[in-house]
Amino acid sequence: DTAVSQTPKYLVTQMGNDKSIKCEQNLGHDTMYWYKQDSKKFLKIMFSYNNKELIINETVPNRFSPKSPDKAHLNLHINSLELGDSAVYFCASSQVLTPPNEQFFGPGTRLTVL
Amino acid sequence: GEDVEQSLFLSVREGDSSVINCTYTDSSSTYLYWYKQEPGAGLQLLTYIFSNMDMKQDQRLTVLLNKKDKHLSLRIADTQTGDSAIYFCAETDSWGKFQFGAGTQVVVTP
Repeated sequence: DTAVSQTPKYLVTQMGNDKSIKCEQNLGHDTMYWYKQDSKKFLKIMFSYNNKELIINETVPNRFSPKSPDKAHLNLHINSLELGDSAVYFCASSQVLTPPNEQFFGPGTRLTVL
Repeated sequence: GEDVEQSLFLSVREGDSSVINCTYTDSSSTYLYWYKQEPGAGLQLLTYIFSNMDMKQDQRLTVLLNKKDKHLSLRIADTQTGDSAIYFCAETDSWGKFQFGAGTQVVVTP
């Protein structure tokens, strides 16, 4: 199946821990993104990468560190997790960076910090 | 604050038309989009419109854009129970940066 996949789908962890979420796309796209969706469903861009280069970093705390080992992968590592990090994190990809850059979304990772 | 605003909830009877409204503030928006999110899933693109157009029709979907008022709407004809979802309005600037609205929860009742 051609798609954007994320692992894990659910992540429950204690405050202060470090965790990673992985994202892979096999669509051959150049651009990948991370979004955070809060409990009110508001979706906010966190990062975007184009050809492994960071393009957008939207005032995200530096506890969040994206890593793109190749064009098909964009992983998100979070240090020292806080209660406010609880949300659904979506990875997405688009063929190119410039519009109309239709974004294909992964299924989401629901992170719960206790 | 948000640059893209939508009403939060819409209830519609099966078979009726749904109209979801959105306003945005960025006058440099190049494209405007409608995405659909079903429970437990990621967002799926429904349709998009170039900012120089005022209407686009795609089967049961009609998008209207009033660029002067920065108002975008999505009309779904003959709404079905499978249309129950959250609908997100979004816009991109010329750099491709997306700004999403908070989503409109559409509930279709029999």
